[in-house]
Amino acid sequence: DTEVTQTPKHLVMGMTNKKSLKCEQHMGHRAMYWYKQKAKKPPELMFVYSYEKLSINESVPSRFSPECPNSSLLNLHLHALQPEDSALYLCASSQAGRILVYGYTFGSGTRLTVV
Amino acid sequence: KQEVTQIPAALSVPEGENLVLNCSFTDSAIYNLQWFRQDPGKGLTSLLLIQSSQREQTSGRLNASLDKSSGRSTLYIAASQPGDSATYLCAVIKAAGNKLTFGGGTRVLVKP
Repeated sequence: DTEVTQTPKHLVMGMTNKKSLKCEQHMGHRAMYWYKQKAKKPPELMFVYSYEKLSINESVPSRFSPECPNSSLLNLHLHALQPEDSALYLCASSQAGRILVYGYTFGSGTRLTVV
Repeated sequence: KQEVTQIPAALSVPEGENLVLNCSFTDSAIYNLQWFRQDPGKGLTSLLLIQSSQREQTSGRLNASLDKSSGRSTLYIAASQPGDSATYLCAVIKAAGNKLTFGGGTRVLVKP
């Protein structure tokens, strides 16, 4: 299995809702990432998990709450979002060392719309 | 702070022409450089990974070169096809934290 699977593919939520994005990989990668991408812009890093521990938080607002329950699964919990949080949310995984043989593998993303 | 720049931002070529996409970065202390393809509204597909000790990587019609000392990488796509139309992103991986830094991307249109 060489894929990163993200669910759901599309999500529409109100500003008072609570929802979660899910990301799963079975490549044995011990580093997992959340990126946010706005239209016509490159992805922006949000969080990095290394060996199931949060190693980087790029000053993301607390309405985004990441969770890594095990080495294969990464969640992003959403609460009280704003319309400007509408974007494509991408999950990625990689080996955890500094020298990467295979690089990053990205999922197909969740298109989030906040109404 | 690492900055990654891709020029041109957009490129339109007739089918069959070779594509040359450029990527430059300000901090040469990188471990890897990776090229991705992104179709509209989709995720990123990895094309090629070049480790810092390598000068180039090839896969089919794709060839990527890396010159760390000058802070440049070039992606060559030979004999372009309409199916090559997409946005191409380069990203560098710094020495610590496995943090990817992306360029702004080059939007490519290959006309039949």
